Amino acid sequence: KAGVTQTPRYLIKTRGQQVTLSCSPISGHRSVSWYQQTPGQGLQFLFEYFSETQRNKGNFPGRFSGRQFSNSRSEMNVSTLELGDSALYLCASAPSDTGELFFGEGSRLTVL
Amino acid sequence: GENVEQHPSTLSVQEGDSAVIKCTYSDSASNYFPWYKQELGKGPQLIIDIRSNVGEKKDQRIAVTLNKTAKHFSLHITETQPEDSAVYFCAASIESGAGSYQLTFGKGTKLSVIP
Repeated sequence: KAGVTQTPRYLIKTRGQQVTLSCSPISGHRSVSWYQQTPGQGLQFLFEYFSETQRNKGNFPGRFSGRQFSNSRSEMNVSTLELGDSALYLCASAPSDTGELFFGEGSRLTVL
Repeated sequence: GENVEQHPSTLSVQEGDSAVIKCTYSDSASNYFPWYKQELGKGPQLIIDIRSNVGEKKDQRIAVTLNKTAKHFSLHITETQPEDSAVYFCAASIESGAGSYQLTFGKGTKLSVIP
């Protein structure tokens, strides 16, 4: 079974730009969550989607948004990028409602 | 909201020795406690988890214990091997209805197993 796939793996943007990251969950998984990982703050929850609906949201500004499509694939968008948005963005999918998360390898965003 | 403290931040052990990582959580409503292992350049991988109705769980060389009264849980790795070297994260979560979990992670422990 293929794992969680995230694209792109690496990207560089400049301040003020916007970025879209993509996540394909494990086949059959309907829940997709996004986390931001930085050396200073560690792993922080961004949001979770289930059946195209945002089910949970973390404490991030409105510049961070996401969506989920009918095939469970998900995208997250960050607008008006700031230097502090440089991070590894991790997507995780989950089967049913067990809480077990399966993470992708992440998209590493560098903001210059 | 939930707060998870994890100690130590770094841990070095000799191959074959045991390693113990400890976490405390703040919200007594938390009921799911997973542990993740993250190797360089990879995403975190679930290695073991425990739910609040269980005090201990074991899977080969890995075990997790939970003390709900004290609000702390620990990861025990026995007979450590060089391939156990990685960053380990604990997490706590409340099921917030309809099967939704929001994990709060500890800051991680970098484990080095010295051959």
